[in-house]
Amino acid sequence: GQQLNQSPQSMFIQEGEDVSMNCTSSSIFNTWLWYKQEPGEGPVLLIALYKAGELTSNGRLTAQFGITRKDSFLNISASIPSDVGIYFCAGQLEEYGNKLVFGAGTILRVKS
Amino acid sequence: EAGVAQSPRYKIIEKRQSVAFWCNPISGHATLYWYQQILGQGPKLLIQFQNNGVVDDSQLPKDRFSAERLKGVDSTLKIQPAKLEDSAVYLCASSSRWTSGRYEQYFGPGTRLTVT
Repeated sequence: GQQLNQSPQSMFIQEGEDVSMNCTSSSIFNTWLWYKQEPGEGPVLLIALYKAGELTSNGRLTAQFGITRKDSFLNISASIPSDVGIYFCAGQLEEYGNKLVFGAGTILRVKS
Repeated sequence: EAGVAQSPRYKIIEKRQSVAFWCNPISGHATLYWYQQILGQGPKLLIQFQNNGVVDDSQLPKDRFSAERLKGVDSTLKIQPAKLEDSAVYLCASSSRWTSGRYEQYFGPGTRLTVT
């Protein structure tokens, strides 16, 4: 089945630092999505990417859809305490009914 | 716009008991998904509905799990009988087709199930 490898597994950074995480797959996806999940809540959509090579920003967040369509990265600039949470990448393929395949998540902790 | 609603938020049951979860999607969203999220993992799709029809239930353990969406709006997911390994958060999500052909899934807060 399709699998996404997400790294790093966890990060503990100083407030103000930039953060980078990525996701790779052996499968090609039409869409890459990045979600954030906080304790006791469902995942919240941060950024959606629809074209290979696309670079999209949402405030301090920037994400890119890899040229090969098999990878994506998410950057967070100037981290703040409320960035704490678990970040998930997800790939979507229209041929599979737009089912989302999720990575295992990157746990982000921020020291203030 | 109201988000995806789920209830209950928490449930503790003993193994071999049955349990049901309820989901109300975002108004107008034709597609509804149930995911299982085991601690430390990403969500895994259990079943996908398009209106009241099943699109994909390939990862649903059909010997114990069932789901329905009778009128194409609300949905229930049932487990009977529950096993210890069913302890997880059960997430409901919904999406609609944008005019551009894109789908974006929006998640509810989840139901945390503990089986003892």
